[in-house]
Amino acid sequence: QVQLVQSGAEVKKPGASVKVSCKASGYTFTTYGISWVRQAPGQGLEWMGWISAYYGSTHFAQNLQDRVTLTRDISTTTAYMELRSLTSDDTAVYYCVREGELSGTVFFQYWGQGTLVTVSS
Amino acid sequence: DIQMTQSPSSLSASIGDRVTITCRASQSISSHLNWYQQKPGKAPKALIYAASSLQGGVPSRFSGSGSGTDFTLTISGLQPEDFATYYCQQSHNSPRTFGQGTKVEIK
Repeated sequence: QVQLVQSGAEVKKPGASVKVSCKASGYTFTTYGISWVRQAPGQGLEWMGWISAYYGSTHFAQNLQDRVTLTRDISTTTAYMELRSLTSDDTAVYYCVREGELSGTVFFQYWGQGTLVTVSS
Repeated sequence: DIQMTQSPSSLSASIGDRVTITCRASQSISSHLNWYQQKPGKAPKALIYAASSLQGGVPSRFSGSGSGTDFTLTISGLQPEDFATYYCQQSHNSPRTFGQGTKVEIK
């Protein structure tokens, strides 16, 4: 079965960086793209960006493109999200999500368990 | 960016009720509309993709309809496990945008 297992919770100081990992299993890693979605406490869902697991090409939300890097390691079937210059507004649960495409529509088919990133001085 | 607007933001309903949530896109997105369910402390779960197709394992009391700019999620016969927050999301364009969510609570 498809599984996405994320790294554990992080506490960071303002101005620091965080790197979250997402280990994929149960499918051919390079067949599907992976998006990252975050959710601030008590708030809705925000799409951050996407990486092609095959090509490594990326797309980002405009408000984050200067601070986020998405990478993947095909040999270990792991995707990574790095966010720099953290502020308290970046405190959120970060999800990696494997996309699926059915009926001509891409959707967020499988979700990781989430990684809480807390930014606090 | 395409803006997604859900209504209502929250609703109270009883077991067995029929519940309808609407989602409106700021421009036409054809049928590239998906719905997710999220329970407290859990990751979202895909319910419906392409506006009306049920993701595998999702009960048939969930249904979706619409195209263009106006979409609906219906729960026919609300069950205790359906109390959650529901999000619509468009995949017509990048960035992928979500509605603000609709919280379904017990009356």
